[in-house]
Amino acid sequence: AQSVSQHNHHVILSEAASLELGCNYSYGGTVNLFWYVQYPGQHLQLLLKYFSGDPLVKGIKGFEAEFIKSKFSFNLRKPSVQWSDTAEYFCAVNAGGRDDKIIFGKGTRLHILP
Amino acid sequence: GAGVSQTPSNKVTEKGKYVELRCDPISGHTALYWYRQSLGQGPEFLIYFQGTGAADDSGLPNDRFFAVRPEGSVSTLKIQRTERGDSAVYLCASSAGRNNEQFFGPGTRLTVL
Repeated sequence: AQSVSQHNHHVILSEAASLELGCNYSYGGTVNLFWYVQYPGQHLQLLLKYFSGDPLVKGIKGFEAEFIKSKFSFNLRKPSVQWSDTAEYFCAVNAGGRDDKIIFGKGTRLHILP
Repeated sequence: GAGVSQTPSNKVTEKGKYVELRCDPISGHTALYWYRQSLGQGPEFLIYFQGTGAADDSGLPNDRFFAVRPEGSVSTLKIQRTERGDSAVYLCASSAGRNNEQFFGPGTRLTVL
């Protein structure tokens, strides 16, 4: 069965700090990988996704993630965070090409200090 | 354009009661998904529709949970004999099909007293 592990449950950073949120998944086949974000009081929305091709994926708002197949990882990065990045971030996976259900991690709550 | 909408936004019910939660997907989206998010957890898959049929219902926790999508658009998630453990936010998402982005609605917060 697929599973997703997010390393940090709660991260607190100051503005302009660099961010890296860890994500590892468990699945032996081809996968599609996602990062979703939920800003306070808003819906879940897609931040970025990897289906195939360049393992370094760029998303909205300056976020990027790198798929490292050998490590089963898909870490999220941003070089300089802003207060408006305060949100909950979810890493997610589905079995690429064969399955549509998305398996989510437990989420990382990110709090940016102004 | 309009996104995914869910009604009601909040539902409080008593243990043992029956509830229905509604999802209106984005117009034209053929795929519709239900997830459940408990406090401190990520969304958990329940069921997925492609058109009118349930393509994958492997996430439904037990036979008290049932979902329909009779005309391939609006979907209703039905929970019989609710239990306190059913309290969660129920999320609906829709997409244009396999390998397309899933767009999430605001969720229905269900509280079972």
